[in-house]
Amino acid sequence: AQSVTQLDSHVSVSEGTPVLLRCNYSSSYSPSLFWYVQHPNKGLQLLLKYTSAATLVKGINGFEAEFKKSETSFHLTKPSAHMSDAAEYFCVVSDHLDSNYQLIWGAGTKLIIKP
Amino acid sequence: EPEVTQTPSHQVTQMGQEVILRCVPISNHLYFYWYRQILGQKVEFLVSFYNNEISEKSEIFDDQFSVERPDGSNFTLKIRSTKLEDSAMYFCASSAGGRVNNEQFFGPGTRLTVL
Repeated sequence: AQSVTQLDSHVSVSEGTPVLLRCNYSSSYSPSLFWYVQHPNKGLQLLLKYTSAATLVKGINGFEAEFKKSETSFHLTKPSAHMSDAAEYFCVVSDHLDSNYQLIWGAGTKLIIKP
Repeated sequence: EPEVTQTPSHQVTQMGQEVILRCVPISNHLYFYWYRQILGQKVEFLVSFYNNEISEKSEIFDDQFSVERPDGSNFTLKIRSTKLEDSAMYFCASSAGGRVNNEQFFGPGTRLTVL
């Protein structure tokens, strides 16, 4: 069975410092992995996705994530945090063998940016 | 840029009442989904829909739930007799195709409050 674990419920960083949001997954197959972001009172927006091509994936707003199969991790990073990055971030895995593409969600990490 | 829309943004209902949540997916998309997020919990898959029938559903999606695409543009989720535990944010999503790795685009959600 697939599952996603986001290791931190809250991460607080100062503006201009690096961001690291951690995610570990469990999958029986070769997974597709995603990061979604949810700003307050807004919908879920795709930041980036890994789909068995390059292991370092670049997304929108300067975010990137690296797929590490040996560590079953897909951590999200950004070199320099901006106030507008304050939001909740979800790590998500999909079942490659399921063409209906059900998404399995992590619990979310709330990113807080200090001025 | 095309987007998924959902109405209403907030629905308040009495326990035992029927509710219909509405979604307008992106116009050329073929696959449609409903997810829900109970306050403080993970986003959970409810159902996927393709070619006018349910492709897959989770164990949450019991006989009290139904989905419909009545007119080729709207995609609705009906809860026949709401319970207190149905209170949640409900997200609609759509994707262009059912192949794995295809991106799901999410609407802003409908917050359902059952009193």
